[in-house]
Amino acid sequence: RKEVEQDPGPFNVPEGATVAFNCTYSNSASQSFFWYRQDCRKEPKLLMSVYSSGNEDGRFTAQLNRASQYISLLIRDSKLSDSATYLCVVYTGTASKLTFGTGTRLQVTL
Amino acid sequence: NAGVTQTPKFQVLKTGQSMTLQCAQDMNHNSMYWYRQDPGMGLRLIYYSASEGTTDKGEVPNGYNVSRLNKREFSLRLESAAPSQTSVYFCASSHTPTGNIQYFGAGTRLSVL
Repeated sequence: RKEVEQDPGPFNVPEGATVAFNCTYSNSASQSFFWYRQDCRKEPKLLMSVYSSGNEDGRFTAQLNRASQYISLLIRDSKLSDSATYLCVVYTGTASKLTFGTGTRLQVTL
Repeated sequence: NAGVTQTPKFQVLKTGQSMTLQCAQDMNHNSMYWYRQDPGMGLRLIYYSASEGTTDKGEVPNGYNVSRLNKREFSLRLESAAPSQTSVYFCASSHTPTGNIQYFGAGTRLSVL
């Protein structure tokens, strides 16, 4: 079983739609959680951290469910510019190691 | 506003050739990392350096060596390149050894023929 699992997609949604991605992690000792965004042929960039209480940044909402060991990302009112791959990232506190999911690809269309 | 700078951006090698990938950061971060990214595999840690003067193996260190030259620079060396090392290589840095938030360079696309 992979340490961090994501549905690779692609998720094809029209502009203005709401879309949600889930990610599951296997290590119950994981300490910190993040969503990174990666545009085609570019480097990953931090989108947002994920807190137990949930957090929101504009159109983006992230949730963490420790009991079920999953993380979610909700994007409301999708824009064309949201088209990218979204990486679920988990930090277990071991040797400075972040574990990256393989990513979920989102394509927003007109 | 450079952040993390990697050179070169592209490289083609023949099997058995050697090369060094360079990485420098100007954010005064203590920790630096080298990853490779392959289709369907996600980013995998090759080596990291929690602080100047220290380096440690990551998930896939075989075939690579690293040098933390100073606080700013962290290089990755392929001594004898193999086709299995064809990949996109990313360098990253973070303020703390816990590596919670990492900032990435633009990547090096390497092909080994």
